[in-house]
Amino acid sequence: GQNIDQPTEMTATEGAIVQINCTYQTSGFNGLFWYQQHAGEAPTFLSYNVLDGLEEKGRFSSFLSRSKGYSYLLLKELQMKDSASYLCAVRWTTDSWGKLQFGAGTQVVVTP
Amino acid sequence: DAGVTQSPTHLIKTRGQQVTLRCSPKSGHDTVSWYQQALGQGPQFIFQYYEEEERQRGNFPDRFSGHQFPNYSSELNVNALLLGDSALYLCASSWGLKGQNTEAFFGQGTRLTVV
Repeated sequence: GQNIDQPTEMTATEGAIVQINCTYQTSGFNGLFWYQQHAGEAPTFLSYNVLDGLEEKGRFSSFLSRSKGYSYLLLKELQMKDSASYLCAVRWTTDSWGKLQFGAGTQVVVTP
Repeated sequence: DAGVTQSPTHLIKTRGQQVTLRCSPKSGHDTVSWYQQALGQGPQFIFQYYEEEERQRGNFPDRFSGHQFPNYSSELNVNALLLGDSALYLCASSWGLKGQNTEAFFGQGTRLTVV
């Protein structure tokens, strides 16, 4: 299978910025999603990128470079409630909407 | 507008038993996908249902089966439970099998513990 790699854990201070990287194999790529998952809860959709560039949504931004097989999620002005797991997920061209391959998730810990 | 609902929320079963998990998709959605999420891991795709048929399947054994009803709700069945089946089972709904730009909405999940 194709690997999707993201760091296991990141720690940052309240009010700071954190960047979560995600890398994947470029062959067959057809879109990348970022989800946030608090412990014991459902993943919630944050962003979707299929073209190169930066998508900004309030405090959260997501970037994609298809040629490099690279994406990042940028969290600005961190708040305590942002402590959660952030999941990078890829849709491949052979797959339908709803079928995603997820990375293992990055646990973000926000400290006071 | 109700989102994706799953039942039950928690379940404890014994090795060898069978279990059925249920999912009602978000209003307006017709496609249901099931995922298994082990502790500390990302969700792993099990299979997807559209128009009451299994359309795609991940790398899971035949012990995992499912069904979709005319009202788009779905069931996941697991036979001959193993300790390794202990996980959070997530249901995700979306609209249309292909060609529609829509994210998948996830339910809260069913926490299955096999003892």
